[in-house]
Amino acid sequence: AQKITQTQPGMFVQEKEAVTLDCTYDTSDPSYGLFWYKQPSSGEMIFLIYQGSYDQQNATEGRYSLNFQKARKSANLVISASQLGDSAMYFCAITAGNNRKLIWGLGTSLAVNP
Amino acid sequence: DTGVSQDPRHKITKRGQNVTFRCDPISEHNRLYWYRQTLGQGPEFLTYFQNEAQLEKSRLLSDRFSAERPKGSFSTLEIQRTEQGDSAMYLCASSLAHGDTQYFGPGTRLTVL
Repeated sequence: AQKITQTQPGMFVQEKEAVTLDCTYDTSDPSYGLFWYKQPSSGEMIFLIYQGSYDQQNATEGRYSLNFQKARKSANLVISASQLGDSAMYFCAITAGNNRKLIWGLGTSLAVNP
Repeated sequence: DTGVSQDPRHKITKRGQNVTFRCDPISEHNRLYWYRQTLGQGPEFLTYFQNEAQLEKSRLLSDRFSAERPKGSFSTLEIQRTEQGDSAMYLCASSLAHGDTQYFGPGTRLTVL
């Protein structure tokens, strides 16, 4: 079985600063995928970034980067140059197995202050 | 290229009524997933389809819930005899059969009075 732990219920960051959102995972499957999604107050789940378990390099997508430390089973999201529009819930999730269903953490609420 | 769409966006119903939600995936995506998200929680997996075949159902999907994906295109999720505990956001996602990334629709927010 897979499990995701997000230990930060809420985070604050100043506009234009960088912020790191923590995620640790547990799985016995050697092949898995790690994801970060953003959920604004409207409710839609927006895909941000993906890291495969066999990827050698950390994933980056624009202002988003994933700090993947396989031995520590962590997959932290780094948002650089925060913007007011980054205020939202952020979820870490993992897929494994044939069905590739997503197993989710409880999320971190990020507030960007002007 | 249109994304995943869901209809309706909001549904308010009285306890005991039946409701049906629709999801239209990204056109070339073979896999379609349904998740349920209650307040303050992450989404929970309900069921998924590969083309028209329903390959897995969660224990969360009681016998009041049924999902279909005729012809492997759009999918419907029906809840019979709704209960207040069914109030949640119902999220639909689609992906390529051999791809990992799931793309989500805007969700259907159900309120059972």
